[in-house]
Amino acid sequence: AQKITQTQPGMFVQEKEAVTLDCTYDTSDPSYGLFWYKQPSSGEMIFLIYQGSYDQQNATEGRYSLNFQKARKSANLVISASQLGDSAMYFCAMRGKTSYDKVIFGPGTSLSVIP
Amino acid sequence: ETGVTQTPRHLVMGMTNKKSLKCEQHLGHNAMYWYKQSAKKPLELMFVYNFKEQTENNSVPSRFSPECPNSSHLFLHLHTLQPEDSALYLCASSQVSGGADTQYFGPGTRLTVL
Repeated sequence: AQKITQTQPGMFVQEKEAVTLDCTYDTSDPSYGLFWYKQPSSGEMIFLIYQGSYDQQNATEGRYSLNFQKARKSANLVISASQLGDSAMYFCAMRGKTSYDKVIFGPGTSLSVIP
Repeated sequence: ETGVTQTPRHLVMGMTNKKSLKCEQHLGHNAMYWYKQSAKKPLELMFVYNFKEQTENNSVPSRFSPECPNSSHLFLHLHTLQPEDSALYLCASSQVSGGADTQYFGPGTRLTVL
């Protein structure tokens, strides 16, 4: 069965510093997709970044980058130059090999950016 | 309107009430989803619609009844709910194409059942 683990329930980071949010996953599928979402207190889930299991390079999107280590089954999110608006819950998610497979979400990490 | 919209944003209802949640996507996607997010629990997939056809019912109680009249609209009809159904209900849509097929979410409806 597929599973997502986020071991950091809460994280703090100083404004303008970089922070890494951990995500490990378990799957037997050779092909899968990994996602990161941000959920501010308003409730909306905001898509941040995507990594395909066969992508050769780590995904990057502005201040977000995904540190993908396939052999370790980890897909950590790195946020550079943290801003106060980055304070939110962050969810790692995975979808199986086909577009029709369910997306499963991890329990989330609460990030607080300190001025 | 852009993206995925949901109405109402907040809903308080009694256990005997009947209400409906509405979701509309303006992204031209062909799949829509309902998720439930309870406190201290991971996001739970409830229903999936691909091309207006329900393809997933994740063991959801019958007091939740989805409806997808077209690929842009999705409803969740609620009746005789229980207090434990209080949660944030999120709608999402995606374009199923064999690629990343990223799901884009609406702002959610925060439901309280008294």
